[in-house]
Amino acid sequence: GQQVMQIPQYQHVQEGEDFTTYCNSSTTLSNIQWYKQRPGGHPVFLIQLVKSGEVKKQKRLTFQFGEAKKNSSLHITATQTTDVGTYFCAGLRETDSWGKLQFGAGTQVVVTP
Amino acid sequence: GAVVSQHPSRVICKSGTSVKIECRSLDFQATTMFWYRQFPKQSLMLMATSNEGSKATYEQGVEKDKFLINHASLTLSTLTVTSAHPEDSSFYICSASPLVEKLFFGSGTQLSVL
Repeated sequence: GQQVMQIPQYQHVQEGEDFTTYCNSSTTLSNIQWYKQRPGGHPVFLIQLVKSGEVKKQKRLTFQFGEAKKNSSLHITATQTTDVGTYFCAGLRETDSWGKLQFGAGTQVVVTP
Repeated sequence: GAVVSQHPSRVICKSGTSVKIECRSLDFQATTMFWYRQFPKQSLMLMATSNEGSKATYEQGVEKDKFLINHASLTLSTLTVTSAHPEDSSFYICSASPLVEKLFFGSGTQLSVL
């Protein structure tokens, strides 16, 4: 079964609102990455988190890695129409070699102007 | 950033035929490439890890004889879907990276088997 769970699967947001997508792993991760896939496109790397409790910001996006290195979140403030797409978290288990990422199901974000 | 090129972007074939998908790293060498399958509105499922000069490593449940992977050079990996059937219709996507940090994805191939 899927090792990395991601919720919600679908998020309808009014422009200007904030939202958060969450990612949980059944096993400890050595790192977690976030990707964004626009409709009809391919996943594009956003960020990687490695340290326990790490928080990174990219403009309106805030990424967090849990203390136990089993969960992560992506928070977007003041959503814009350009934020439309599906956001995937992808975790690398401590027992796996680099690149063998376990992808979450993704959160599809729809933004209403 | 690094560029990964994937061709074709879309292919329609008859049931029983084989289809080859190419994945190229354009500005870096990739000893390892990854192949995924993605169903509509679902996640990327890792199918196999392609290793240059050696056999690919397949994930559990993925048929090696159905999905043939060849990684003959440091810039090219191919995925051949043999004797394709309608249930093989899907979006196939590859990834690679020059860094042990982030993956760069190809643009994907939408396979439709009639």
